[in-house]
Amino acid sequence: DTEVTQTPKHLVMGMTNKKSLKCEQHMGHRAMYWYKQKAKKPPELMFVYSYEKLSINESVPSRFSPECPNSSLLNLHLHALQPEDSALYLCASSQGRGGGQTDTQYFGPGTRLTVL
Amino acid sequence: GQQLNQSPQSMFIQEGEDVSMNCTSSSIFNTWLWYKQDPGEGPVLLIALYKAGELTSNGRLTAQFGITRKDSFLNISASIPSDVGIYFCAGYTGFQKLVFGTGTRLLVSP
Repeated sequence: DTEVTQTPKHLVMGMTNKKSLKCEQHMGHRAMYWYKQKAKKPPELMFVYSYEKLSINESVPSRFSPECPNSSLLNLHLHALQPEDSALYLCASSQGRGGGQTDTQYFGPGTRLTVL
Repeated sequence: GQQLNQSPQSMFIQEGEDVSMNCTSSSIFNTWLWYKQDPGEGPVLLIALYKAGELTSNGRLTAQFGITRKDSFLNISASIPSDVGIYFCAGYTGFQKLVFGTGTRLLVSP
């Protein structure tokens, strides 16, 4: 089973709202990722958690706050977003072993976020 | 940062035709991954390549890791309508840092 699940599928929020995106995997993977994908663009890495610790933050604004409650779950907390933050947010996971450059990442279906 | 350039940007072909697309970089990569993304969905891994010169097949798909380690190719034989989507190459620029190519959009006419 190589399934990564994400909820919700779609989310519409105002600029003053607080919301959370959720990601779950049951493959025993120890690395989890958040990506942002704008329309007609490739996915761009935002955060990496390795063994439940934040290992990479690609200079993401603080209005995005990641959380990894356990090895199977990854959340992305959203607060005071801007309309330009509207995008497809993708979660991925990988085994987290080795040198990190042969570690296949499996993606979830994404959450389509619209900020009004 | 490192960029992966894919060509062509888009292709419109007839069902049954073979397709070729490539991915190039100015830097060396140790791994090349090929993903397909359907509209509104996440990328799905098609093929992973780990050695220069490696040629790997997955059904009608064949991918090669270029000898120079700066390029990779993906071929699709006998295309079918469900091959429609965006194909991305990807490679690691550092530990756990995956960068995606610019993508090739494939349209298949029945």
